[in-house]
Formats: sequence, structure tokens, C-alpha cells
Amino acid sequence: KAGVTQTPRYLIKTRGQQVTLSCSPISGHRSVSWYQQTPGQGLQFLFEYFSETQRNKGNFPGRFSGRQFSNSRSEMNVSTLELGDSALYLCASSLTTTSRDRDGYTFGSGTRLTVV
Amino acid sequence: QQQVKQSPQSLIVQKGGISIINCAYENTAFDYFPWYQQFPGKGPALLIAIRPDVSEKKEGRFTISFNKSAKQFSLHIMDSQPGDSATYFCAASKTAAGNKLTFGGGTRVLVKP
Repeated sequence: KAGVTQTPRYLIKTRGQQVTLSCSPISGHRSVSWYQQTPGQGLQFLFEYFSETQRNKGNFPGRFSGRQFSNSRSEMNVSTLELGDSALYLCASSLTTTSRDRDGYTFGSGTRLTVV
Repeated sequence: QQQVKQSPQSLIVQKGGISIINCAYENTAFDYFPWYQQFPGKGPALLIAIRPDVSEKKEGRFTISFNKSAKQFSLHIMDSQPGDSATYFCAASKTAAGNKLTFGGGTRVLVKP
């Protein structure tokens, strides 16, 4: 079965621009989470969506936003890009947000964003 | 506030040796402790996970040891192979926070042939 698909794989943007990243979860998975991975800060949780509703949010500025569509696909948007936003952005999906499904939490390969 | 601390940052082990990675957590509400393996250019992949009602869990060459009173858990990789060379992350989550994972800083493991 297909895994979590993230597009694009690589992206270069200029400071001040905005960017939209896309994530298609595993078929049947309704929970989608986003993480930022950098060498300095490691893996940090951005937000989680379930049934088109944001269920949890990490400690990131309002420039970072997301949404989920009725088919469970999700997008995250970063506005007014800063050099420090350069990172690998990872998406993960799961059947639900309940504890019994946590072993099925699966990550995509990520989108590498470079801000110049 | 770093809620999950992982050590060491890097590790070199000979083929056939044992790799040991340690993690300590602060939040006693955490009730799920997974370990992830990440190769360059890929996302983290679940290796093995444990819940606090169990003190040890083994899957193949990978074992998690869990010490609830000390708020520590560790990953042991037995008979380490060159293909195990990767970055390993411990993590923790709590039921009330859905799927949100709090990750340790990662350990880069290099297995020499």
C-alpha cells in the first residue's frame, strides 16, 4: 500500500515569500501531523489535523498554518519566509488520534525547504 | 524546555557489537515511548515502542528497557550491522495530546565493518 506522500521533495524560496507544502496520508488515515526538522532544534511538532479540524498545535509563530481537506489530504503554509525556516518538513499520518493507533503513525520522506 | 533528553549524540560501534542509546523524560503524563530510525533523505520510521506497564520489550535485535521510577528508557541494538548505521530518535507522547510526539535530540550511529 502507498505510504505518506509529500510534495514537492525540494523547494527553494526567497526570504519574504510564502510557501505551501502538500501531504497525502496513507489511504484510510484521517489524522495528519506536521513536524519541522533542523540540525539545531531537532524534530519539533507543528500541528495535527483530524477530520478537517486542528486538534493540537506546537509552539510556532502564526506564520505557520495548515489545513486538512475532506479527503484527509493536508497542506501547510508558511508566510513571510525567514532564513531560519530552512528545514525538512515532515508529515505523518495515522488512522485516528487515539492511543491504540499510535504504532501505525507513519512519516513521509519530507519536503526540504531552503530559504535564501 | 527539553522534555526528552537523549544521549549520546553519536556512537561508533564495531560490527557485531552492542549499541546502547539512553533517553530521559520529565513529563510523567507520557504513556507511549517509541524509537524511530532515520536514514538520510528519508523520514523517521518506527522501530519499536513501549508502554509504561512493561519494563522491557524485544523485537529481533532491538530491545527497549524502561525504568518508570527513574523516568528513563533505552534502546539496545544487539549484533549491530553496517545497515544499522542511521540516526535514532527516542520520543514520547501522552494520550491527551493525540499523536503529538516529543522527540529526543537524536543519536547518529555508525557501525564499522
